[in-house]
Amino acid sequence: GESVGLHLPTLSVQEGDNSIINCAYSNSASDYFIWYKQESGKGPQFIIDIRSNMDKRQGQRVTVLLNKTVKHLSLQIAATQPGDSAVYFCAETTSGTYKYIFGTGTRLKVLA
Amino acid sequence: EAGVTQFPSHSVIEKGQTVTLRCDPISGHDNLYWYRRVMGKEIKFLLHFVKESKQDESGMPNNRFLAERTGGTYSTLKVQPAELEDSGVYFCASSRAQNRGLGGYTFGSGTRLTVV
Repeated sequence: GESVGLHLPTLSVQEGDNSIINCAYSNSASDYFIWYKQESGKGPQFIIDIRSNMDKRQGQRVTVLLNKTVKHLSLQIAATQPGDSAVYFCAETTSGTYKYIFGTGTRLKVLA
Repeated sequence: EAGVTQFPSHSVIEKGQTVTLRCDPISGHDNLYWYRRVMGKEIKFLLHFVKESKQDESGMPNNRFLAERTGGTYSTLKVQPAELEDSGVYFCASSRAQNRGLGGYTFGSGTRLTVV
């Protein structure tokens, strides 16, 4: 397994508050995006995805926003819980390829 | 269904030695991927198998890395000889043929490789 990186950007939020994690993606041709959550000792786990023909998608307590103009992706977590503590990665890909490009990750710490 | 299984979970080897990582994908998943995260940085693509064939190995760093997937089931990733910069976490993932990666892969828990 893997421990959380010590030098990642870190976002600390109070339990119950909303969290916003940001990601700048690199390829203007990317047309599909995913947010992954990685807990210590586990592999990345799919949270939510969005296609480039959308600018917002909602799941359970999570919302992804896509701004193609500035190549920016964000993940909003409502009512953040201790179980949300993890490293979050955005990933992009282009139709016709199976390969994902991952961002550097953001560590989310939920304070009790 | 059982998830993606990787073995070993941790490996510590000396520089110059050989290490072989194994990945068992989800049964029925034709697509198998290897990624790695080095020095706490971003997760980077290594290669992609479709069944037993290498579809894309553009991410393999050099010829010290050899991946195989004989019979289209489990895969191995061998590093020979290992160097210090190979230390990191190696992830395997799999997906069904028809979703072309949409919906994301299913990742294993990774193998943490430390080269000393």
